Amino acid sequence: GIQVEQSPPDLILQEGANSTLRCNFSDSVNNLQWFHQNPWGQLINLFYIPSGTKQNGRLSATTVATERYSLLYISSSQTTDSGVYFCAVVNSNTGKLIFGQGTTLQVKP
Amino acid sequence: DTGVSQDPRHKITKRGQNVTFRCDPISEHNRLYWYRQTLGQGPEFLTYFQNEAQLEKSRLLSDRFSAERPKGSFSTLEIQRTEQGDSAMYLCASSAMRGRPVEQYFGPGTRLTVT
Repeated sequence: GIQVEQSPPDLILQEGANSTLRCNFSDSVNNLQWFHQNPWGQLINLFYIPSGTKQNGRLSATTVATERYSLLYISSSQTTDSGVYFCAVVNSNTGKLIFGQGTTLQVKP
Repeated sequence: DTGVSQDPRHKITKRGQNVTFRCDPISEHNRLYWYRQTLGQGPEFLTYFQNEAQLEKSRLLSDRFSAERPKGSFSTLEIQRTEQGDSAMYLCASSAMRGRPVEQYFGPGTRLTVT
């Protein structure tokens, strides 16, 4: 099956810093989602991005499907950005998501 | 609130007891997914429904687990004879199906603790 790897596993930033999270996947996929999991466990949708670049406020994402990776950029980080960030690739037939192990982000004031 | 809802949010049970969780998807979504997440891991797929039909079950779903979506709306996940290894967050997600799967939206999860 498809393997999804995220890096780095842990990241500590000072408030105001920028960061890049990476997601590599082992086979071609039709789609990819980025999530932020808050401390209560809720998965919040950030991006649904099969290819190209999308932006939403301080966050943006780029997927290069032909090279099997996606990047999540966080600019001017805030303490509320802390949490775990997951990427998940979509099985094109069933729609089920295959998740990476996540990147745990801590933003210090 | 028209998002995905799950009930209960927390469940503590003793080993050997049966538990049942409920998921109410976004109303116009015909696909419903169950995932399980253990500490420090990403969610793992358990099973999914298109309308009332259960189309796939993961090998993670042992015979103690059963899921239903009787009228194609809400779904239930039952675990019989719970074991300590069943302790996890159980997540439900829904999506539309328009020729191909589209974006999934998750509920808040049910956190199960088996003592």
